[in-house]
Formats: sequence, C-alpha cells, structure tokens
Amino acid sequence: AQSVTQLGSHVSVSEGALVLLRCNYSSSVPPYLFWYVQYPNQGLQLLLKYTSAATLVKGINGFEAEFKKSETSFHLTKPSAHMSDAAEYFCAVSRSSNTGKLIFGQGTTLQVKP
Amino acid sequence: EAQVTQNPRYLITVTGKKLTVTCSQNMNHEYMSWYRQDPGLGLRQIYYSMNVEVTDKGDVPEGYKVSRKEKRNFPLILESPSPNQTSLYFCASTTRRFDTGELFFGEGSRLTVL
Repeated sequence: AQSVTQLGSHVSVSEGALVLLRCNYSSSVPPYLFWYVQYPNQGLQLLLKYTSAATLVKGINGFEAEFKKSETSFHLTKPSAHMSDAAEYFCAVSRSSNTGKLIFGQGTTLQVKP
Repeated sequence: EAQVTQNPRYLITVTGKKLTVTCSQNMNHEYMSWYRQDPGLGLRQIYYSMNVEVTDKGDVPEGYKVSRKEKRNFPLILESPSPNQTSLYFCASTTRRFDTGELFFGEGSRLTVL
C-alpha cells in the first residue's frame, strides 16, 4: 500500500533562510509525487509534481523538489523564505496516472519569522 | 473563471439529520474527488469519480454517499451525520490523468455535527 510521511508537523525559519520540508513515500511501483500548498482559509493549490521525467522538479514561487528513489524521498526546498510562504504544505503520492487514488501526508505548517 | 464551487461553506447540524454538500466544476473535468481534512491527519480521500456514473471508495468512505449523474456535479451525501464527521471537506477535480492535469480544489466546507 502507498503511504506518505512528512517529517515535522511544524517548521519555523527566518525570512531569507533556506526552507526544507521533508517527505518520504512508500510505494510498490514508481510513483507520481506532488507538493500542494494551502494558505489560510483556502483550498489547496499545486506547487509542483514529479511524473517520471526529470528528478529535479521546479515549481511555482521559487520552490523545487528532488525525487530520490534510493532514499524514497521527495523533499521540498526554497533557497530564501519570504513571509508570504507561510502556509501549510502537503506531500501526496499516486500510484499511476490513471488511478483515482491520491494519498496525502499529514501536512507541515511553515512559519516564517521576520 | 475556472473554479470548483462547494456549498455550503459552513454548516452546523445535528446528529442524524441528512445533509448534502454540493460540488460543481466548470472545467469539463472527468475526475472529481472528495477529501476530509482533520488536524494531524492531513487530507483523506472519501470517494472519487473517474467519469459520469463511475464512482469508487477512497480511504474513509464509511458514512458517506456520492453520485455522479452529470459531469460537472459531484455531491457528497451524509445520510445520518455523526459527530465524528465534523471536519473540513474539500472537493477537487482534474482531467483524467494526474501526470498531465492539476488537481483543482474548492474552498472547503466546514461541517460541525452536534
């Protein structure tokens, strides 16, 4: 069965510092991996996705993630945090492109301090 | 404007009183899905639909029903709500494939069952 684990329910960084949000997945087949962001009182929106092309994926707002099969990881990074990055971030995994099942992690709340 | 619309956005009800949360999308998407979001648990999939008249269970379908009679609508039905169904609910839609499509979310429906 597929699963997603996000390490750390809360991450706090200073403005301008590196953002690193961790995601590890479990999947018996090559997965499709996603990062979504949720701003307060809003629905989720897609940041980036890995679908078996390049292992380093660039997304919106300066975020990127690297798929590492040997580590079963898909960590999200951003070189320099902005106050506007404060939100909840979700990692998600799907077994294939044609399945309807998308499994989300527990979420990580990012706090950005001035 | 492309959007997923949920109604109601907020609802307080009592145990056992049937309710329906509507979801409508205007993007001609084949795939639609319902999730519930609970603190510390992330998003959990309730039901999904790959196309009209095709629905399937997600990870937490107990106590819920869905129907997909039209492509644009995917209502979530709680026949006899219970307090453990108090949650934040999201509807989402995309093209059939996760590798080419982005999952679009509604703004959420916050349900309280007393």
